[in-house]
This record gives sequence, structure tokens and C-alpha cells, in this order.
Amino acid sequence: DQQVKQNSPSLSVQEGRISILNCDYTNSMFDYFLWYKKYPAEGPTFLISISSIKDKNEDGRFTVFLNKSAKHLSLHIVPSQPGDSAVYFCAASGEKLTFGTGTRLTIIP
Amino acid sequence: DAGVIQSPRHEVTEMGQEVTLRCKPISGHDYLFWYRQTMMRGLELLIYFNNNVPIDDSGMPEDRFSAKMPNASFSTLKIQPSEPRDSAVYFCASSPSRTGSYGYTFGSGTRLTVV
Repeated sequence: DQQVKQNSPSLSVQEGRISILNCDYTNSMFDYFLWYKKYPAEGPTFLISISSIKDKNEDGRFTVFLNKSAKHLSLHIVPSQPGDSAVYFCAASGEKLTFGTGTRLTIIP
Repeated sequence: DAGVIQSPRHEVTEMGQEVTLRCKPISGHDYLFWYRQTMMRGLELLIYFNNNVPIDDSGMPEDRFSAKMPNASFSTLKIQPSEPRDSAVYFCASSPSRTGSYGYTFGSGTRLTVV
């Protein structure tokens, strides 16, 4: 049973526009939520995280929003750049890190 | 620090053969994790160690899979015998803690193909 779900396997966005990646979870006991970015032939790298007691965390072009009542989080990238093209994984921290299946983001120049 | 180092980067083997994947974690990280990436299941945790001791192996798919950590700087994941459905990218990750806001540091992975 997938505790962390990313329902969109892929997303294409025009360069300069906003990219919004979504993630849903089922376990209300998770204490942190994280986003990882993965380029081909490389391991996932940490991007940004948010504590379960907050609803927003911003780092430069990246903002993560958490809606606890809906058990939903999203990653906003604005403005989107070609180098943002990658697979993005959301993850939830409880007893261990549980990952979603990933969303492939393609930024169109 | 060189980060988490995995070897080999690519492995192609025939069904039935034994495969051994290797990992060197970041020095000082007490936790080591083995993940497998597939299209259907994303990144799934196979097993993790704390201070070289296996803590949770509930993600290991079957008895054909085994993992060891003989010391703080080395771990292996072995598949014997290998099957085509084992084809995937296997990642090793390490961390100073089991959970938290910074997650884990991943290696570059081993792409395993079983033919």
C-alpha cells in the first residue's frame, strides 16, 4: 500500500512559467516532508523540506506547501528553468523515509 | 567528502547468477539504507542498518536478497540467484539520523540488468 502518492507521472511546463508538482499521503504521523530531485544516471538529491507543523517553506525559486487537512503537499517552482527538467520525488519522514513514485518534469524552452 | 560511493555503476548478468552490489557510506553517518527504483513502485526501501546492525529488512522482496554491513564503511547487497524481474536501479543512501528534515544522501546507483 503506497503511503505516499504522486499521481502525475509526467508534467511539461514552458520555461519561465510556474511548475506545480503534487503529492498525497495517507499517514498523519509523518513529521517532515521532503522533495528530492533526480537527474538521469545520478542519485536523488535533497531539494527542500517542510515540517508537519508548518504550511509553507520557501527557498529561492522553490516553495513547498503543506495542507494537513487534505494530506496534500505541493512543490512550486517559479520561474521554471531548463535545468529544472528532472524527476521529482516527494518523501515523508516517519519511522523512515517513504518515497512516492516520482514525477518527470520537462521544461520546454 | 566524496559522498556515498556505489559500485559497480552498471551490471549485466544472466538469470541464475549471483550479483553483489557494493556501497561505501559517508564517514560518520550511522544509518545506511538500500533502495530500489522501479517505474511501478518508485523508490522502495529494501533494508536499513544502524551502526552496522540491520534494523528493518521488511522491504527485502524474498530470500534471494541479502545484505550485510561488516563495518561502518562498507555494505553489500547480494542477489542469489538473480531473476529478470530484479532488473532495476539500486541505490544506497546514508544519513546521520533515521528521520528528519534533511533526508538522506544517495549514491549514484547501480543499474542492474538480468537477462
